[in-house]
Amino acid sequence: DAGVIQSPRHEVTEMGQEVTLRCKPISGHNSLFWYRQTMMRGLELLIYFNNNVPIDDSGMPEDRFSAKMPNASFSTLKIQPSEPRDSAVYFCASSLQGGMGYTFGSGTRLTVV
Amino acid sequence: DQQVKQNSPSLSVQEGRISILNCDYTNSMFDYFLWYKKYPAEGPTFLISISSIKDKNEDGRFTVFLNKSAKHLSLHIVPSQPGDSAVYFCAAATSGGGADGLTFGKGTHLIIQP
Repeated sequence: DAGVIQSPRHEVTEMGQEVTLRCKPISGHNSLFWYRQTMMRGLELLIYFNNNVPIDDSGMPEDRFSAKMPNASFSTLKIQPSEPRDSAVYFCASSLQGGMGYTFGSGTRLTVV
Repeated sequence: DQQVKQNSPSLSVQEGRISILNCDYTNSMFDYFLWYKKYPAEGPTFLISISSIKDKNEDGRFTVFLNKSAKHLSLHIVPSQPGDSAVYFCAAATSGGGADGLTFGKGTHLIIQP
């Protein structure tokens, strides 16, 4: 298995632009999580899906952030419009049985200038 | 408010010695705890976990200790090796072993010196 695949690995965009981050979970995993890592706040859970359904999006910082999971093999995290304070590393993780089964992707490093 | 705290941003240990990484939590509903290891430009990888019904779990060179009354856990690495140099995240879950997401600390950067 190729693991959790995230794209792009790096993204540099101008303030105000729309940014879309992509994630392909491990086949067979039924839970998908989006996390954001910053120096100030560490790793924060943004949203998670179970069987493609969003369960808890209380960690999404603002309405500028949205996430979708149209099928079991694909999810997107969109920021529109992007702001410099959104600069961070965004991780996607998937699991079948909770914490022990968590597998993280390599992350997308987003820089908004 | 940080519910999982790792108060040491970095720790330097000599190769062959014991590395002790500490973690404190405030939410008494947490019942499952995990340690993740992260190398630069990679995602965190699972290292070891412990349920609240235990106070110790060992896996090779890695041992996690849980003190529920103090709301404190620690990760011991013995002996420390150069490949252990990484950022270590403590994480906690309230139910289902993390099926509803994990709460992470900010991480401790462990540096193993030759």
